Amino acid sequence: QQPVQSPQAVILREGEDAVINCSSSKALYSVHWYRQKHGEAPVFLMILLKGGEQKGHEKISASFNEKKQQSSLYLTASQLSYSGTYFCGTDFRGNTPLVFGKGTRLSVIA
Amino acid sequence: EPEVTQTPSHQVTQMGQEVILHCVPISNHLYFYWYRQILGQKVEFLVSFYNNEISEKSEIFDDQFSVERPDGSNFTLKIRSTKLEDSAMYFCASSGNLPGTGELFFGEGSRLTVL
Repeated sequence: QQPVQSPQAVILREGEDAVINCSSSKALYSVHWYRQKHGEAPVFLMILLKGGEQKGHEKISASFNEKKQQSSLYLTASQLSYSGTYFCGTDFRGNTPLVFGKGTRLSVIA
Repeated sequence: EPEVTQTPSHQVTQMGQEVILHCVPISNHLYFYWYRQILGQKVEFLVSFYNNEISEKSEIFDDQFSVERPDGSNFTLKIRSTKLEDSAMYFCASSGNLPGTGELFFGEGSRLTVL
């Protein structure tokens, strides 16, 4: 079952913050975040396993709320290089291939 | 840095023709995947492959699709009789971890255009 991402698109000025949400109707084992720049392959950002952990990657961090079956990706002090489409991928059992959401298109402008 | 390589980068074919897309996964990885992405849309899972057999496949992966690891390094996706709706970017990915537990390394993709 495909996770639901919101918002579908967001435009930021450099230095602004954004939050991208990913929710599931089923209990999750893990949530994965990827970023895809136009014309390129998706690139791994981070993985969060059930347990409500939060992870960081430069100025990009994420949380995983197991009870709410959702994850949020936080982008702080956005840079032009953050532009791209962000996908969350979910795994329900711990050994299933990722199912990706429809993506959130992030555009950072000067 | 090891990477997943895919060929061709772009293939144009006529409807009904067979197409084979090639992938060389990262050498010590054990789990291999094909995903596809129709222009501007989500990345869709097609099939996963482990220990020389399909471990999971999606509803998209019907009888016209097949995968093979013919020589221990290449991982191919064959589409027997292409349809217009098969036009998409096809991504190969590999991982050294159990599905869902670690990073997927994606190739740059093969763009398939069916006319």
